[in-house]
Amino acid sequence: NAGVTQTPKFQVLKTGQSMTLQCAQDMNHNSMYWYRQDPGMGLRLIYYSASEGTTDKGEVPNGYNVSRLNKREFSLRLESAAPSQTSVYFCASSASLGTNEKLFFGSGTQLSVL
Amino acid sequence: AQSVTQLGSHVSVSEGALVLLRCNYSSSVPPYLFWYVQYPNQGLQLLLKYTTGATLVKGINGFEAEFKKSETSFHLTKPSAHMSDAAEYFCAVRDDSNYQLIWGAGTKLIIKP
Repeated sequence: NAGVTQTPKFQVLKTGQSMTLQCAQDMNHNSMYWYRQDPGMGLRLIYYSASEGTTDKGEVPNGYNVSRLNKREFSLRLESAAPSQTSVYFCASSASLGTNEKLFFGSGTQLSVL
Repeated sequence: AQSVTQLGSHVSVSEGALVLLRCNYSSSVPPYLFWYVQYPNQGLQLLLKYTTGATLVKGINGFEAEFKKSETSFHLTKPSAHMSDAAEYFCAVRDDSNYQLIWGAGTKLIIKP
């Protein structure tokens, strides 16, 4: 039971470099999310995709882009990385964007931008 | 706008002692409330949730939480702490404008042997 799979687990970038974080779920979920987790701040939503073909900004979208490639996959791209984007990134999915749907999380990507 | 406040970034209890993690929320409508747990180097997983109905909610691993509207609280408790409960715990409330979760800053639970 893979659930939500994120790659890579760790990444070090130099300022200005670009990279894409990959996320895939095998639960046939409609909705997918990207969060960042910073110490003392809980989780903050970057982007989400309510269903295949749609994406919406969350609380902190600046500096990021996303692609909902198909129902399974939702990628997060940093076009020009900045030190402020040093964080732990989590992908999550849920059956739908409903009232009380349970979120399933990946194990995270630890990103450092030097 | 809804918000969540978790009192105490770190809580330390002895093994076998009562666990109490505090969460207060603000919401202008009846809230949907959640507790998630994050074990070291893992993603978050749902412990329990309150949507409607019974205000005492039971979750996994012996945890429970009580929704108290008058106190705008949703505190998490467990009668007897185990070493395996050491983790970070997050309280969240649903944002009614977009159905997303608004997260508290988290409380790291430390269990002393």
